[in-house]
Amino acid sequence: AQSVTQLGSHVSVSEGALVLLRCNYSSSVPPYLFWYVQYPNQGLQLLLKYTSAATLVKGINGFEAEFKKSETSFHLTKPSAHMSDAAEYFCAVSEGGLNFGNEKLTFGTGTRLTIIP
Amino acid sequence: EAGVTQSPTHLIKTRGQQATLRCSPISGHTSVYWYQQALGLGLQFLLWYDEGEERNRGNFPPRFSGRQFPNYSSELNVNALELEDSALYLCASSRAPTSGGEDTQYFGPGTRLTVL
Repeated sequence: AQSVTQLGSHVSVSEGALVLLRCNYSSSVPPYLFWYVQYPNQGLQLLLKYTSAATLVKGINGFEAEFKKSETSFHLTKPSAHMSDAAEYFCAVSEGGLNFGNEKLTFGTGTRLTIIP
Repeated sequence: EAGVTQSPTHLIKTRGQQATLRCSPISGHTSVYWYQQALGLGLQFLLWYDEGEERNRGNFPPRFSGRQFPNYSSELNVNALELEDSALYLCASSRAPTSGGEDTQYFGPGTRLTVL
């Protein structure tokens, strides 16, 4: 069974500072990993995804994440935080594409990012 | 290209009633997924439909059901509503799972269901 752990339900960083949101996963097969962002009262927007190609994945809005198999991690980073980055971020894992019938996404509990002016 | 759309945006019902939520996938997508985002419970997988068939189901009671129409749009029905069904219901779509390799789920804005 797959699972996702996001360390830190709330993270605050100053504008211009490094953003680091942590995600660890558990999967019985090589996973597909995703980061989604949710702005207040909106649905989920895909930030980036890892699908067994390059381990360093670049996404939208200057975010990137690195897949580290040895650490079972997929942490999200951004070098310089903007006020517009304030939102909730979800890490998700899927075994879909490898095992038909397992396409569902399993989400972490989310990390609320606050940007301090 | 239009994204995933959901209707209604908000829905208010009372206990014991039935709720129907609708989702239209991105053009060309045949798979539709439903998730529940309830306060304190996070995002949980509900149902997955592909080519008109239910392919997978999360750990929810049978009063949560749905269907997928020939045009790939989908409906989620919740019968005998309970207070704890109050949540944001998100629909996502993707290309056919057998299209080769992974495919990404794209989410709609959600329907907020309030049960009084």
